[in-house]
Amino acid sequence: QSVLTQPPSVSGAPGQRVTISCTGSSSNIGAGYDVHWYQQLPGTAPKLLIHADKDRPSGVPERFSGSKSGTSASLAITGLQADDEADYYCQSYDTSLSGVVFGGGTKLTVL
Amino acid sequence: EVQLVESGGGLVQPGRSLRLSCAASGFTFHEHAMHWVRQAPGKGLEWVSGINWDSGSTAYADSVKGRFTISRDNAESSLYLQMNRLRSEDTGFYYCVKEKWMVVAGGWFDPWGQGTLVTVSS
Repeated sequence: QSVLTQPPSVSGAPGQRVTISCTGSSSNIGAGYDVHWYQQLPGTAPKLLIHADKDRPSGVPERFSGSKSGTSASLAITGLQADDEADYYCQSYDTSLSGVVFGGGTKLTVL
Repeated sequence: EVQLVESGGGLVQPGRSLRLSCAASGFTFHEHAMHWVRQAPGKGLEWVSGINWDSGSTAYADSVKGRFTISRDNAESSLYLQMNRLRSEDTGFYYCVKEKWMVVAGGWFDPWGQGTLVTVSS
């Protein structure tokens, strides 16, 4: 059971928009800690996608965006493409655990 | 180019020990906290341990506390993970990652190494 809760899977057709939620609690996201998102393509190491809730590293397309409100955060992907098919993870810090926490991961399928 | 290269993985029997290493290059190593993150086959990411820039503070997941020890050598730009009393559930890829900040403070991880596979089995 992960401290941050993500849906196991989401799907969408090419060109559509999908969102992935990341739900935490008052000891992590709700405490004001930043949320970061990673994309893991099949057979590769994770790659930073969004940092500090909504900022994109250079090279990440504008189709990817992040937001946060209360004890939850979301990753939105617009204009879905076939090569967006991957696992997506959220990450934050938990003050009760005194450590880093990840969501369980969401598998995105492009139909 | 920022690079993290892990080594030391392999097949080990339950109860035995293994030491992972991570060689860092392309950035000022002593200006960043460092972490180990693992991923069991077909499963999600699990944070294992983190260490501040000066080794002054370390943190561990409950699942490894008391069995694993993280350390670093700033002169060698290297990160280590000493894993004792290994269990089958410790099996997985172990990634070395660089945190944005100097201390373990919830910063983002970038980049990630390619990972080293640890298999605990008799």
